[in-house]
Amino acid sequence: AQSVAQPEDQVNVAEGNPLTVKCTYSVSGNPYLFWYVQYPNRGLQFLLKYITGDNLVKGSYGFEAEFNKSQTSFHLKKPSALVSDSALYFCAVSTSGTYKYIFGTGTRLKVLA
Amino acid sequence: GAVVSQHPSRVICKSGTSVKIECRSLDFQATTMFWYRQFPKKSLMLMATSNEGSKATYEQGVEKDKFLINHASLTLSTLTVTSAHPEDSSFYICSASRTGSSNQPQHFGDGTRLSIL
Repeated sequence: AQSVAQPEDQVNVAEGNPLTVKCTYSVSGNPYLFWYVQYPNRGLQFLLKYITGDNLVKGSYGFEAEFNKSQTSFHLKKPSALVSDSALYFCAVSTSGTYKYIFGTGTRLKVLA
Repeated sequence: GAVVSQHPSRVICKSGTSVKIECRSLDFQATTMFWYRQFPKKSLMLMATSNEGSKATYEQGVEKDKFLINHASLTLSTLTVTSAHPEDSSFYICSASRTGSSNQPQHFGDGTRLSIL
């Protein structure tokens, strides 16, 4: 069965420190991987995606993610966290020819001033 | 960037009424739109895939007669919660995919908070 795991319900990090939000996946075929952020009472905002090519993907607001095929991971990173980064983060995967996402359960990021 | 507009943002109504939620892609054509339901502090649950000009595809356990979906044009899908009851109270979010691009990101509306009294 295809699945996405975000093993941490919550991640706390001090402002200015690097942050990592973890995501691993299990799919048949080549994955298309996405990260989204959700602020309270809002929809999801697209941050970045990996389709093919360079394993390090840069996205919006200074976020980046590294695709690791051998570890089937796509962790979200940022070199220096801001308080305004505090939100709910979702990892999602789809495969070629399918429009449906499989979502992870979400990770709440809390950046402490 | 691509914009998806969802309306209304909040609805409060009495038990037994029907509520219609609209999802519009403002600057691109969307053959496929998706409807999700999100419970507090939980992930998104896909309810159905809305296909322009054809019947929606519902996920297992979602009542198609309860949650009516219409995708009459390439820019508009609607979700109607019929005879709503308090257990239907939730945050409903739509998303849209650009036509013919399964490797493009879905673009999400801002959601509709539905409260049934």
